[in-house]
Amino acid sequence: DAMVIQNPRYQVTQFGKPVTMSCSQTLNHNVMYWYQQKSSQAPKLLFHYYDKDFNNEADTPDNFQSRRPNTSFCFLDIRSPGLGDAAMYLCATSWPNQPQHFGDGTRLSIL
Amino acid sequence: KQEVTQIPAALSVPEGENLVLNCSFTDSAIYNLQWFRQDPGKGLTSLLLIQSSQREQTSGRLNASLDKSSGRSTLYIAASQPGDSATYLCAVCTDSWGKLQFGAGTQVVVTP
Repeated sequence: DAMVIQNPRYQVTQFGKPVTMSCSQTLNHNVMYWYQQKSSQAPKLLFHYYDKDFNNEADTPDNFQSRRPNTSFCFLDIRSPGLGDAAMYLCATSWPNQPQHFGDGTRLSIL
Repeated sequence: KQEVTQIPAALSVPEGENLVLNCSFTDSAIYNLQWFRQDPGKGLTSLLLIQSSQREQTSGRLNASLDKSSGRSTLYIAASQPGDSATYLCAVCTDSWGKLQFGAGTQVVVTP
């Protein structure tokens, strides 16, 4: 089935140690999104790609970066994670103004 | 700035009852409104999308209405089942490429 796959499902890192998580899609959607969701809170958009055009939300910390080497793949890098970055990170894809399809997320814990 | 509110935060109903979930938003300039379901520890599953020009959308037991002028949407789930237990989130689309502003969700428990 066409889907959005995120890896890893769970990641544990130490304070300040860089992490990378990935997202792949078989839907061929041109828009990809990264959200941060903390416990019992609404998902918060970090950035999105419209094709290869990168768009950063104004309040996304500089600590967070992303790469989209091709249509199918996208990466989220956190350069120096702090305790406040512990959250579920969700990737989604869509055509513009169409339903977004989400992966199951990467749950990040910081020691 | 667009704000999306979902009340109540949690809801418990016996199996068979109809569910009514509410969503309100502050800015009526939206492209569409979407309803999602989230199971514990999982991503979001799209349920319904209502374009700004539409008043309602239906899929099986689910029906969602949209009143842009009053900034409200309601999701109706008919004849609830224990498998409907999940958190339901609404989101408004505020840009032509699809930026979503989410509410915090309503956690639903359907008891057998």
